[in-house]
Amino acid sequence: GAGVSQSPRYKVAKRGQDVALRCDPISGHVSLFWYQQALGQGPEFLTYFQNEAQLDKSGLPSDRFFAERPEGSVSTLKIQRTQQEDSAVYLCASSLPGAASEQYFGPGTRLTVT
Amino acid sequence: KQEVTQIPAALSVPEGENLVLNCSFTDSAIYNLQWFRQDPGKGLTSLLLIQSSQREQTSGRLNASLDKSSGRSTLYIAASQPGDSATYLCAVKEYGNKLVFGAGTILRVKS
Repeated sequence: GAGVSQSPRYKVAKRGQDVALRCDPISGHVSLFWYQQALGQGPEFLTYFQNEAQLDKSGLPSDRFFAERPEGSVSTLKIQRTQQEDSAVYLCASSLPGAASEQYFGPGTRLTVT
Repeated sequence: KQEVTQIPAALSVPEGENLVLNCSFTDSAIYNLQWFRQDPGKGLTSLLLIQSSQREQTSGRLNASLDKSSGRSTLYIAASQPGDSATYLCAVKEYGNKLVFGAGTILRVKS
């Protein structure tokens, strides 16, 4: 079936605006992850869902970042009052349950805050 | 805290050369290790996944090894081609399911 999809692919926001980034995981994948990738760096973990439960949000950089997955499928990452340091690529990944499962990544959303 | 380091940061080689990318990690309590490829402006493509109980995995011209006790992995690319030019990322999966990534190796294969 289709892979992980993310929208929008590109987002430009003025500083102080709120943004919402969407992730559609692979059908049947109960685990969903968000990562942030700054320019020239590897991705860094933000948060993890199993079905609709947010099991780990230790990587969210501030309380301006909020993620939800209300029906255990599509997930939204929301950033309130965006700052320039929020400019990055936001990657979503999904996987089957199980510790050894492989994570499959979407194309990412490139957020630029001006 | 798990730290993943990739050496070298960048590599430029002529077409046809065999090459090795290195990855090291500080905490051996991992489920698995994955090598990814990332093209400019694109997402991550998984190349090889090695479970913690395995020593190596092969796919075509790629071979990845894992030495969990010493915290090291290598990605071997045989007979490199210009199409192999990309950033290669190594990531370990920790207990708790999150991936911890290195900063990547930027590979350029010259024709």
